[in-house]
Amino acid sequence: DVKVTQSSRYLVKRTGEKVFLECVQDMDHENMFWYRQDPGLGLRLIYFSYDVKMKEKGDIPEGYSVSREKKERFSLILESASTNQTSMYLCASSGHSSYNSPLHFGNGTRLTVT
Amino acid sequence: AQSVTQLGSHVSVSEGALVLLRCNYSSSVPPYLFWYVQYPNQGLQLLLKYTSAATLVKGINGFEAEFKKSETSFHLTKPSAHMSDAAEYFCAVSDRRDKIIFGKGTRLHILP
Repeated sequence: DVKVTQSSRYLVKRTGEKVFLECVQDMDHENMFWYRQDPGLGLRLIYFSYDVKMKEKGDIPEGYSVSREKKERFSLILESASTNQTSMYLCASSGHSSYNSPLHFGNGTRLTVT
Repeated sequence: AQSVTQLGSHVSVSEGALVLLRCNYSSSVPPYLFWYVQYPNQGLQLLLKYTSAATLVKGINGFEAEFKKSETSFHLTKPSAHMSDAAEYFCAVSDRRDKIIFGKGTRLHILP
C-alpha cells in the first residue's frame, strides 16, 4: 500500500513566520501535489511536481513555494504566513501518468495562522 | 477547460436507503473520472475510477458509478446506506492532458 506521510497533523504559526510543510511518499511515485482544502471550496491545487527539482504552479500558487530535492519528498513553504492561509493542507502522490493515475493522499496538516 | 459540478453540498439519507450523489463534468475530450471519499480527520481515498473500459464502474464499500456521456454525468450510488458511509465525497475529472480537477464536495449524512 502506498503511504503518504505529512509530518504534522496540526500546526499553529504566527503571521509573518516562514512555515514548512513536509510530505514523504514511499512508493517511488514521480508525481507529487499540494492542495489546500477549505469548506465550500473543495480542493484547490497549489503546486505540483512531475520529477525531482521540477515544479509547476497550480491554481493558487500565490504566497507559496515548493521544493523537491529528492523524489520521495515534496515540501510546501509559506514564505510569510498570513491569516488567509489558515487551512487544511493535503499532499498527494501518483504514478507515471498524472492524468489517469489515482492520487494517494496523506492525512493532512491543519494549519492555523494567528 | 475541464470542470466538475457536484449538486448539493450536503445530502441526508436514512440508514438502509439509496444513496445518490450527483456529479456533472465538462471536458472537451473523453475524460477520466474519479470519486474519492474523505472520512473525518483523514485524507482522501479513491472509491472508484472510470477510464472508458465500462460505463458502470464498481468501487469499494458497495459504491458504484455510471458514466453517461449524453448527460455528461458520473453519479455515485449505493443501494443501501450504512452509518459508516457518513463522509465527504469528491468527484474529480481529468481530460488526459492536464491535472486532476476536483469538485467542491458533498457531505453525506446518514440518519438512524
